[in-house]
Amino acid sequence: NAGVTQTPKFRILKIGQSMTLQCTQDMNHNYMYWYRQDPGMGLKLIYYSVGAGITDKGEVPNGYNVSRSTTEDFPLRLELAAPSQTSVYFCASSPSDRASTDTQYFGPGTRLTVL
Amino acid sequence: SQKIEQNSEALNIQEGKTATLTCNYTNYSPAYLQWYRQDPGRGPVFLLLIRENEKEKRKERLKVTFDTTLKQSLFHITASQPADSATYLCGGGSGNTGKLIFGQGTTLQVKP
Repeated sequence: NAGVTQTPKFRILKIGQSMTLQCTQDMNHNYMYWYRQDPGMGLKLIYYSVGAGITDKGEVPNGYNVSRSTTEDFPLRLELAAPSQTSVYFCASSPSDRASTDTQYFGPGTRLTVL
Repeated sequence: SQKIEQNSEALNIQEGKTATLTCNYTNYSPAYLQWYRQDPGRGPVFLLLIRENEKEKRKERLKVTFDTTLKQSLFHITASQPADSATYLCGGGSGNTGKLIFGQGTTLQVKP
């Protein structure tokens, strides 16, 4: 299993541009999450999904959109990029089996700079 | 608002000693707490989970406690090694969505 994969690894955007951060998991996990991590800070939840077709906002959803058309993929869309969106973005997935440990499996991250 | 707080100052200890990291939560009662390790430029990796009805959990050199009276979890690494140097994140969860609220992380530096 590749686990959780994210593309791209790095990206520089100009203010006002848009982009989609890709996230794919091959563990058949129902739950998926998008976080951002600013320097010296913890992870802030942007959006999450408990299954295909179901998404909901986290702590910091403004400026972002998501979709979940398949179990495997959970792309994060940035519209009209702003310098405040400069951050490292992590995608994670978790099994929905309550007998499991509720562990989250993280991807390697996408480092985004908005200039 | 619901908050998880960790000591933002780096923890420096000598190899072989026990490292103790603190995680405090305010304005909510997580059903479980999870600890993750994060190396520079990498995603977090799960280490341990402890539920609110458990006092202590162990895994090899790692031990975590959950004190619902103090609203605190302690994470211990015994016989620490330079390879244990990393940032450690505490996350609290509840409900059935798996959502976690994370602290800012504590960086541990183990000197040989």
